[in-house]
Amino acid sequence: QQKVQQSPESLIVPEGGMASLNCTSSDRNVDYFWWYRQHSGKSPKMLMSIFSNGEKEEGRFTVHLNKASLHTSLHIRDSQPSDSALYLCAASMDSGYNKLTFGKGTVLLVSP
Amino acid sequence: EAAVTQSPRNKVAVTGGKVTLSCNQTNNHNNMYWYRQDTGHGLRLIHYSYGAGSTEKGDIPDGYKASRPSQENFSLILELATPSQTSVYFCASGDWAYAEQFFGPGTRLTVL
Repeated sequence: QQKVQQSPESLIVPEGGMASLNCTSSDRNVDYFWWYRQHSGKSPKMLMSIFSNGEKEEGRFTVHLNKASLHTSLHIRDSQPSDSALYLCAASMDSGYNKLTFGKGTVLLVSP
Repeated sequence: EAAVTQSPRNKVAVTGGKVTLSCNQTNNHNNMYWYRQDTGHGLRLIHYSYGAGSTEKGDIPDGYKASRPSQENFSLILELATPSQTSVYFCASGDWAYAEQFFGPGTRLTVL
């Protein structure tokens, strides 16, 4: 069973709209959550990370984390066609090795 | 920016043959990782290393070996390639528990 579950599998939003992506870990040992973005044919690149309960904002991107429920969400406001990509959520434990467990991802399509 | 390179970028191998995928990083990161990415599975960790001379099994190590001869280089070895190992392989480097991982451009491997 996948330890990191992402929803929805795919999402279409209009340009300028809000995209909301969800991620939950079933492993209660995780400490950190990560969001990576992967454009088609490219490698994943870290978008945001969150380690504490609450909210973190960077430009048009906001992440939330509820450590009690091991749930994180990524919100993209004013979505642009260039935001169309595969969004991967990952979780890791507080160890020196930083082993990431990834979800299957959410495919976001922003329609012009 | 952190630099991770992989070679070859594309590889066609025959069933039962030996395949070596190479990764080089110039970031002086302690940790290096090998993932494979398949549709419907996201990214899965095969092997990782926390320094020269060390290799550790990830979540799906069967059929793969790894080698870390130096801080900069990390290889993934398929001694007897099988068609089920057809995939896109990513190498990454990073440091410590809360550090971003930097991914290479990927190697597309096809085993016939």
